[in-house]
Amino acid sequence: GAVVSQHPSRVICKSGTSVKIECRSLDFQATTMFWYRQFPKQSLMLMATSNEGSKATYEQGVEKDKFLINHASLTLSTLTVTSAHPEDSSFYICSARDLTAGELFFGEGSRLTVL
Amino acid sequence: QKEVEQNSGPLSVPEGAIASLNCTYSDRGSQSFFWYRQYSGKSPELIMSIYSNGDKEDGRFTAQLNKASQYVSLLIRDSQPSDSATYLCAGGINAGNNRKLIWGLGTSLAVNP
Repeated sequence: GAVVSQHPSRVICKSGTSVKIECRSLDFQATTMFWYRQFPKQSLMLMATSNEGSKATYEQGVEKDKFLINHASLTLSTLTVTSAHPEDSSFYICSARDLTAGELFFGEGSRLTVL
Repeated sequence: QKEVEQNSGPLSVPEGAIASLNCTYSDRGSQSFFWYRQYSGKSPELIMSIYSNGDKEDGRFTAQLNKASQYVSLLIRDSQPSDSATYLCAGGINAGNNRKLIWGLGTSLAVNP
């Protein structure tokens, strides 16, 4: 299947700092990528839909100024958690749709811990 | 509100048995359905996709779709302890200019040796 790479896999930061997470589609072009957050023992929660060359579409309740998304190319989307706080600690997962197959493939996830 | 519902489980089956996972959806406009497997602490992994009524088989996995009854199921034959995970069902919908997935909460499967 298609490969989506996410980096870093784990990050620990101090409260108030910003953290950037990268998501790359390695063997296909993705005009749309999705960012999810998952708290322990809970299901995936879609945060935003990232469209190449345009502004991201955020789900209700997700602060666009806190979770900055940039999708500058067909293979790269980034999520920046600005001024992170302990309650932002979670598992962040990106996904990308392979247009030819129509299926959604996930990155390995990034576990963020804010101290 | 468009929903995908799954029994949270845990579903417990002995090794070698057939595990049957079920999912219902509310949006009749959904055309595509997916089963993902998620191990604890890992991201979801695509197991099967199904787009038309009937069965689709891939190795030990069979997905079944019944659009009239609005349910999707996943059968795992000859279950192995390594199949123990949470299985997520998702239905694809059109949302404006985007297609997005509506996720179920997942069913936890435990295969006992």
